[in-house]
Amino acid sequence: AQSVTQPDIHITVSEGASLELRCNYSYGATPYLFWYVQSPGQGLQLLLKYFSGDTLVQGIKGFEAEFKRSQSSFNLRKPSVHWSDAAEYFCSVVGKGGADGLTFGKGTHLIIQP
Amino acid sequence: NAGVTQTPKFQVLKTGQSMTLQCAQDMNHEYMSWYRQDPGMGLRLIHYSVGAGITDQGEVPNGYNVSRSTTEDFPLRLLSAAPSQTSVYFCASRQGVMSDQPQHFGDGTRLSIL
Repeated sequence: AQSVTQPDIHITVSEGASLELRCNYSYGATPYLFWYVQSPGQGLQLLLKYFSGDTLVQGIKGFEAEFKRSQSSFNLRKPSVHWSDAAEYFCSVVGKGGADGLTFGKGTHLIIQP
Repeated sequence: NAGVTQTPKFQVLKTGQSMTLQCAQDMNHEYMSWYRQDPGMGLRLIHYSVGAGITDQGEVPNGYNVSRSTTEDFPLRLLSAAPSQTSVYFCASRQGVMSDQPQHFGDGTRLSIL
């Protein structure tokens, strides 16, 4: 069965500093990978996705993520965070093909210090 | 541009009561799904549908029923609510049945079972 691990439950970063959120997945082959962001009381918004090809993918709001097959990782990065980036971030995977639903990590809560 | 609309946004039930959570999408998406979000657990798939008249179980289906009579609507039914079903419920849809499409999420229904 596929699984997703986000090892950091909470991360605190100063405004303007760089950010990296970790995500490791377990799957028999290379799955489709997604990062979603959830602001308080809101639904999930797609930040970026990886299907194939270039392993560095760009998303919205200045985020990027790098797929590393050898490490089964899909870490999310941002060079300079803004106070508005404070939210919950979810990494998710889905098997290629078929009608699979998403498997989510437990999320990382990002706190931005002024 | 409504996207995925969930109603109600909040609900309190007593143990044993029944209720239907509504989900509607106006994007003509074939695939719809329901997730529940619990603290520290991420999102878990309850049921999904690949088109009108077709539904299937996800990871945590017990205690929930679904039906899909139209492309637009995918209601989730709790026949006899239990305190363990206190959660935030998200409906999501995607354009294609195949998993290579990102999912669009509603804003959620916060459900408390007393």
